Amino acid sequence: EIVMTQSPATLSVSPGERATLSCRASQSVSSNLAWYQQKPGQAPRLLIYGASTRATGIAARFSGSGSGTEFTLTISSLQSEDFAVYYCQQYNNWPRTFGQGTKVEIK
Amino acid sequence: QVQLQESGPGLVKPSETLSLTCTVSGGSISSYYWSWIRQPAGKGLEWIGRIYTSGSTNYNPSLKSRVTMSVDTSKNQFSLKLSSVTAADTAVYYCATSYVGPYYFDYWGQGTLVTVSS
Repeated sequence: EIVMTQSPATLSVSPGERATLSCRASQSVSSNLAWYQQKPGQAPRLLIYGASTRATGIAARFSGSGSGTEFTLTISSLQSEDFAVYYCQQYNNWPRTFGQGTKVEIK
Repeated sequence: QVQLQESGPGLVKPSETLSLTCTVSGGSISSYYWSWIRQPAGKGLEWIGRIYTSGSTNYNPSLKSRVTMSVDTSKNQFSLKLSSVTAADTAVYYCATSYVGPYYFDYWGQGTLVTVSS
């Protein structure tokens, strides 16, 4: 099983600032990586797939990069609605696995 | 716009079988992959498994011995059974899919909380 490790566990950011979230895979997943946003009481929402392709309707301030084992999700200018938990997920191998999440909180 | 809705008992006794159904509306269930994912309170996401409408499955090895998935194309539904449950199986259970393939998940149900308790 591929283990996905996200860092940091919690990121404190002021509105308008840039947030950078990291995700590392225990072995290469090529570009088969997705990012999700989850708010309390809601299902996750797909943000990014293919490591860098924004899903339909996702704001341009969200961007993804990386390949192989190292990935980054960047939120260029945090809006109030962006404070949430973010998960990465690999879909290169079975079973599909998720990172443990990064909580982005208001500083 | 496809919508997914989970249904089933919210309370299951230890050692019994958890049974959930996901109803798909606004789109066809045929020729696509359908997954179950769970999330214990305050914790991360765990992929349970997926089923194709032909009936072929992939299960998470950590749960494989206890999981059975099935699909009913006539009802546009797919189902999850998890046997011999314990308190560790208490979680919000989501059904999810992508019409692209068994990769990421761009359609999710709202989730249903299943508590294992006597």
